[in-house]
Amino acid sequence: QVQLQESGPGLVKPSQTLSLTCTVSGGSISSGGYYWSWIRQHPGKGLEWIGYIYYSGSTYYNPSLKSRVTISVDTSKNQFSLKLSSVTAADTAVYYCARASGDCGGDCDIAFDIWGQGTMVTVSS
Amino acid sequence: QSVLTQPPSVSAAPGQKVTISCSGSSSNIGNNYVSWYQQLPGTAPKLLIYDNNKRPSGIPDRFSGSKSGTSATLGITGLQTGDEADYYCGTWDSSLSAEVFGGGTKLTVL
Repeated sequence: QVQLQESGPGLVKPSQTLSLTCTVSGGSISSGGYYWSWIRQHPGKGLEWIGYIYYSGSTYYNPSLKSRVTISVDTSKNQFSLKLSSVTAADTAVYYCARASGDCGGDCDIAFDIWGQGTMVTVSS
Repeated sequence: QSVLTQPPSVSAAPGQKVTISCSGSSSNIGNNYVSWYQQLPGTAPKLLIYDNNKRPSGIPDRFSGSKSGTSATLGITGLQTGDEADYYCGTWDSSLSAEVFGGGTKLTVL
């Protein structure tokens, strides 16, 4: 079955760029019909959608983070990545990658059906 | 402040039934499908319900979802201690052009 695994630094300095990669195993990221997603959860708080990407490269970002976020896909490695620039302590969170099933025609009718285990990222000097 | 409103906590005894509400607006729940997620302590969220009321393979029929107008409800019957978790609703918000989640509801099985 499809599994997702996040990787990347657990500590990032303020003003730098947070970079995470999600490796997909058990299935092809190019198979279509899925949106490859990043979601974060601040300590003790709820879920916040960051954005997702289709294998073709189409991206959808949370407007509140859009100016700082880049999500990219590498189909040859079956991976997708998150870059969040100019980080502050407010970006300290557990970051999850997830597969979203559904369709983004006009509005997005999707559900996050497979999640990675999550990786804690702390922003601190 | 979350776009979708959930009660912070609910509780019930083992074997009983509980419902968790998720309130939104016409720009989100009113015109888009709702999903529900279960997050056991220290783990990643897990999809319980999608398209308002559909269960993924492997999710027991003790879990159900419904939607009416701008509100959605997750129902859990035959409560077990293993159901103690945080539950989140989620949907697309057409005005924000963003996926939005409720603030989460902590279920305690007394």
